Amino acid sequence: VQIRESGGGLVKPGGSLRLSCEASGFPFSDYYMTWIRQTPEKGLEWLAYISGSGSTISYVDSVKGRFTVSRDNARNSVFLQMDSLRVEDTAVYYCARSPPWSRAADHWGQGTLVTVSS
Amino acid sequence: DVVMTQSPLSLPVTLGQPASISCRSSQSLVYTDGKIYLNWYQQRPGESPRRLIYKVSDRDSGVPDRFSGSGSDTDFTLRISRVEAEDVGLYYCMQGTHWPYTFGQGTKLEIK
Repeated sequence: VQIRESGGGLVKPGGSLRLSCEASGFPFSDYYMTWIRQTPEKGLEWLAYISGSGSTISYVDSVKGRFTVSRDNARNSVFLQMDSLRVEDTAVYYCARSPPWSRAADHWGQGTLVTVSS
Repeated sequence: DVVMTQSPLSLPVTLGQPASISCRSSQSLVYTDGKIYLNWYQQRPGESPRRLIYKVSDRDSGVPDRFSGSGSDTDFTLRISRVEAEDVGLYYCMQGTHWPYTFGQGTKLEIK
């Protein structure tokens, strides 16, 4: 199992960024995929998940309406579109695999740093 | 949201000695299917989190059997029978019973 995030960087408050996550080594469309972020101050925060078909998506309240998860099973990829970014969104963002019915993440990527600053 | 409270937050341990981390949830973690979705993660310095334990006490593949999990309802424990140098890092409990899934604040294990 390999999971690799990309797309992090520096963005101004109010700006947008799109993170990508490419996975391999498992039947991608059979698995939920998740986004989790980590900061030294707030620790780990589970942001969202998307089902294998893409038909089921849930967001934590802190990003609902600003972040959008999507996936492309043909490309074994999942995306996180982040709009209206705030300083407090500064974090390392992880993409992780979530086996069906597990309600947990069992394999994580290496993370990508997003910095929101003027 | 379910609050996960870990203790201690810092855990100095002598090599070869046992270690124990407690995790308490603000509400019952028994899901409607009767299972408890309580996980433990290890994060070594500079690495991504790695899952050690799922559903309270099931060890992930490749996890040494010196790691064990126990507990029920709202009270859970991760035990390391004999701490090794490679166990240094942060340990998090995480509940997957109630959305949004939430993590504990982390316990830092270091060698005394």
